[in-house]
Amino acid sequence: DQQVKQNSPSLSVQEGRISILNCDYTNSMFDYFLWYKKYPAEGPTFLISISSIKDKNEDGRFTVFLNKSAKHLSLHIVPSQPGDSAVYFCAASAKRNRDDKIIFGKGTRLHILP
Amino acid sequence: NAGVTQTPKFQVLKTGQSMTLQCAQDMNHNSMYWYRQDPGMGLRLIYYSASEGTTDKGEVPNGYNVSRLNKREFSLRLESAAPSQTSVYFCASRMIVSLSSGNTIYFGEGSWLTVV
Repeated sequence: DQQVKQNSPSLSVQEGRISILNCDYTNSMFDYFLWYKKYPAEGPTFLISISSIKDKNEDGRFTVFLNKSAKHLSLHIVPSQPGDSAVYFCAASAKRNRDDKIIFGKGTRLHILP
Repeated sequence: NAGVTQTPKFQVLKTGQSMTLQCAQDMNHNSMYWYRQDPGMGLRLIYYSASEGTTDKGEVPNGYNVSRLNKREFSLRLESAAPSQTSVYFCASRMIVSLSSGNTIYFGEGSWLTVV
């Protein structure tokens, strides 16, 4: 039973355009969400996060939107750059219940085309 | 600034052998995690420890044991390795600050394990 779903295994976007990566979750207890980027043979690195008390968080070219009623979040990258080609993981946690479990989705491989 | 350090980086095991993956963090984080990454499966949580002295099962705990030796160290043990445990293993840690900030999880560089 997947609690965090990234339904697009891969996505190709032209350089300079907007990349939109989507994530859905099923557990209504999740209250904190994170996006990670992973290059081959490296550990995942943190990109941006959002708590359930917000519906948008922005950091430079990266913006995360949270729609709690739809249990959906998305990561927008604009403009997309070649170095953005990587696997992106969405993750969720439920801090209020203090067990601090963090669940990741299966990832979306983003290809930025020249 | 080491962050999260895990060893070994590469290991080949024969079926039935045992081994322990070591992980240490120097950020004074309370929580530590072990994940495995397999093609098409993303990062799956094996075990986690919300604080020193506590451990809990994640999504795929079968075939593994863990020890939270102290606040810094969290080890993962395979008692009798199976080919299905061939994977890349990542250790991670974080400190919860508040609901709104400071909750980043930091990962190690990964340990590539092959069971033949």
